[in-house]
Amino acid sequence: DSGVTQTPKHLITATGQRVTLRCSPRSGDLSVYWYQQSLDQGLQFLIQYYNGEERAKGNILERFSAQQFPDLHSELNLSSLELGDSALYFCASSVLAGGPADTQYFGPGTRLTVL
Amino acid sequence: GQNIDQPTEMTATEGAIVQINCTYQTSGFNGLFWYQQHAGEAPTFLSYNVLDGLEEKGRFSSFLSRSKGYSYLLLKELQMKDSASYLCAVRDRAAAGNKLTFGGGTRVLVKP
Repeated sequence: DSGVTQTPKHLITATGQRVTLRCSPRSGDLSVYWYQQSLDQGLQFLIQYYNGEERAKGNILERFSAQQFPDLHSELNLSSLELGDSALYFCASSVLAGGPADTQYFGPGTRLTVL
Repeated sequence: GQNIDQPTEMTATEGAIVQINCTYQTSGFNGLFWYQQHAGEAPTFLSYNVLDGLEEKGRFSSFLSRSKGYSYLLLKELQMKDSASYLCAVRDRAAAGNKLTFGGGTRVLVKP
C-alpha cells in the first residue's frame, strides 16, 4: 500500500457524460500527478499540481480539467466522455515539486469504462 | 522532448536472471526510475539512479550510464511473482515541473 488513495475504483458511464475522479496523496506529499493508461499503452502524463497550484501539463485534453484543494486532495474532471477515454487513471504523489530524488508513489487507480 | 526505448516483451525461466535495457534521449537528465507494474495494478517504485553505476536492492539491481543514455534493470533468482511489466522513467530538468516521462514498459513473463 503506497498511501495514495483513489476513488472510485471502477466507474462505468455513457458517452457524453461527465465524471470526477478523486485522489488523496500520501501524508506530507505536496505534489499530485495524474496519468492515463489505456489498454496496452504506456503511462501518459496528464497534469501535475504542487501545493494547490498547477505545475506542469502533459497531454491533457481540453475536455479534462483538474484541481488540487487546500487539504491537498485532487480531483480530475472528465467531460463529454468518448469511448476512447476508457482507461485506467492513476494518481501519484511526491513530497516535492520534482527534484532529482523526488519519487512518485502511485494510487491503485480508477478504471473508467465509457459505453 | 524525450525518447525512451525498452523492449516490449521478454521471457525467462524461474530461478534465472533477466536484464531489461532502457535507452533514453533527454536534454536535461535529472534521474532515472524503474517501476514494476502487475496487470491492472498500480506501478510500484523499484529503484532510482542519478549517478553512473550500479544500485543493488536485494534481487533487483539497476545500472546507469549517463554518457550512453543507457540503463538496465537486472532481476536475479526470478520468481513467478516477478511476471509483470517493468517501466523505465526519466526525469528531465528542462521540462516543466521536472516532469517524469515513462517508457512503454517491458512485459516479463517468468515460466516454470
